[in-house]
Amino acid sequence: DAGVIQSPRHEVTEMGQEVTLRCKPISGHNSLFWYRQTMMRGLELLIYFNNNVPIDDSGMPEDRFSAKMPNASFSTLKIQPSEPRDSAVYFCASSFGTGHYDYGYTFGSGTRLTVV
Amino acid sequence: DAKTTQPNSMESNEEEPVHLPCNHSTISGTDYIHWYRQLPSQGPEYVIHGLTSNVNNRMASLAIAEDRKSSTLILHRATLRDAAVYYCILRVLAYSGAGSYQLTFGKGTKLSVIP
Repeated sequence: DAGVIQSPRHEVTEMGQEVTLRCKPISGHNSLFWYRQTMMRGLELLIYFNNNVPIDDSGMPEDRFSAKMPNASFSTLKIQPSEPRDSAVYFCASSFGTGHYDYGYTFGSGTRLTVV
Repeated sequence: DAKTTQPNSMESNEEEPVHLPCNHSTISGTDYIHWYRQLPSQGPEYVIHGLTSNVNNRMASLAIAEDRKSSTLILHRATLRDAAVYYCILRVLAYSGAGSYQLTFGKGTKLSVIP
């Protein structure tokens, strides 16, 4: 099991450019989560999907952020246009849940985004 | 959201047991208690979770108070590799359908292990 795979590991981009972060969850997991981590705000949940359907995107900061999960093995988080305040480490996590019993999340290694 | 309170930081000597406390006085009857840790420059890592009874696994033990208003994560023998930020989180049942639940992370406890 390769775990949750995120790409790229590091991304440096100029303000105004489009950025796409990618995530491959663990096979068989039915839930996927996007988090953002900064020193000031800690770990923030941006959006999560159950069975490829977005359930709660209330954490997405603004319309510049969008996330998709076209199938069970792939998700993207897009920022367009990017701004310096979007600089952070973005984590993807996946889990298997039944709606009743709790299972642990598995996090990816993260993408460190720097917008200059 | 149900909230947790943890000390900002703790220190432990290597090979000594560590008890990391967490208060969650507003916990509801169906809330699970989860613990994650985050090593430097890595993503968070699941440690353990429980509902009412104490739980043990290969990484740690979780002791839950009888009234469930507090819990303690126990590392039986701290190693340098256990230096991390430890998060105590209450499950937020935000979605009743099939699938997983939402976890809201706080600031956690930064554990330092002294050789």
